[in-house]
Amino acid sequence: GQNIDQPTEMTATEGAIVQINCTYQTSGFNGLFWYQQHAGEAPTFLSYNVLDGLEEKGRFSSFLSRSKGYSYLLLKELQMKDSASYLCAVIDSNYQLIWGAGTKLIIKP
Amino acid sequence: IAGITQAPTSQILAAGRRMTLRCTQDMRHNAMYWYRQDLGLGLRLIHYSNTAGTTGKGEVPDGYSVSRANTDDFPLTLASAVPSQTSVYFCASSRSGTDTQYFGPGTRLTVL
Repeated sequence: GQNIDQPTEMTATEGAIVQINCTYQTSGFNGLFWYQQHAGEAPTFLSYNVLDGLEEKGRFSSFLSRSKGYSYLLLKELQMKDSASYLCAVIDSNYQLIWGAGTKLIIKP
Repeated sequence: IAGITQAPTSQILAAGRRMTLRCTQDMRHNAMYWYRQDLGLGLRLIHYSNTAGTTGKGEVPDGYSVSRANTDDFPLTLASAVPSQTSVYFCASSRSGTDTQYFGPGTRLTVL
């Protein structure tokens, strides 16, 4: 079966750095997305990786290793507004998007 | 403002009733999707449409139907609602099946 694993919940301190991991076992791979979802709101796009390596976008970076079936989202200089759920999703060989259950990130002052 | 809208925002429905959730996008995206999101389970795909006139079944299609008569609209119908269909429903669209998906604000549905 297809599976995407993320930690259920993480806690970090304002101003710090946090890394949210995502491991996947899917039938093929055609790209990986990270989305942010604030409580009671819709998911919003953060990043897309299809090749190995690090993609940096301001305070957020996303890394991919296709051989290890692994990605992480790195958030720097954490702000209170970064408190949200972070969703990892993989496009499989049938071009279907497979979603992880999400990681709830709690930022403490 | 370009984007994707859903209606209603929330609804309480008696079991056995028929309900249509509406979704409209003005981005001229080819692909559209319906998801349900339940606590601890993440997003699950109900139905999708890769282009106007075509639809496909997702992971949890039972009890739901969709139509795609034109590019902009993708309504989701519950023919006879059951309490297990209580959930938050998100509509999304993308330029193609592998592009970034953009989500509507969601419909919170409670079936009693």
